[in-house]
Amino acid sequence: GESVGLHLPTLSVQEGDNSIINCAYSNSASDYFIWYKQESGKGPQFIIDIRSNMDKRQGQRVTVLLNKTVKHLSLQIAATQPGDSAVYFCAEKVTGGFKTIFGAGTRLFVKA
Amino acid sequence: EPEVTQTPSHQVTQMGQEVILRCVPISNHLYFYWYRQILGQKVEFLVSFYNNEISEKSEIFDDQFSVERPDGSNFTLKIRSTKLEDSAMYFCASRRSGPEQYFGPGTRLTVT
Repeated sequence: GESVGLHLPTLSVQEGDNSIINCAYSNSASDYFIWYKQESGKGPQFIIDIRSNMDKRQGQRVTVLLNKTVKHLSLQIAATQPGDSAVYFCAEKVTGGFKTIFGAGTRLFVKA
Repeated sequence: EPEVTQTPSHQVTQMGQEVILRCVPISNHLYFYWYRQILGQKVEFLVSFYNNEISEKSEIFDDQFSVERPDGSNFTLKIRSTKLEDSAMYFCASRRSGPEQYFGPGTRLTVT
């Protein structure tokens, strides 16, 4: 079956520390893996994506790592700020299709 | 910056009634989506729409659901006969190409 899931439902970090949010997926037939951020009362907001033929991609303060051997995806946020507090979803776009499958979400708390 | 808009922000309806949720995607986007999110749960794909037709739909998107793009700007989701379990946040999203989807702020549907 197809599923995208997260290891931890909540993560609490100190402001300024780095955050790592993990995600496991089981569907290998995906061409993109994507991270979205959802703040309270808002729709998901795109953070970064990675093609399935890559293993690392960096953005502004964020890095996504893809390990296809163990079907694991992670999002690293450098120097976490209070504004990073949100729920983070990993998602995958199915190859050759239009469907995007979301994982269960991890809530990130940033302590000042 | 262009954004996806949705109306209404909150819709309350009685079980068995029809509802229409409205979205205005970003103007030069080509792919349109509806998702739902039951409170505290993950975002679930409902349907994708491309080239004036449904390109993919999930098992949730049964005969009670329909989508339309009646003109060049609006994209609607109709639920013909609402059930209590249809209560959720409904998000519209659009994209031009690539995996990045832009989500609207959502419509909270409450079925009583």
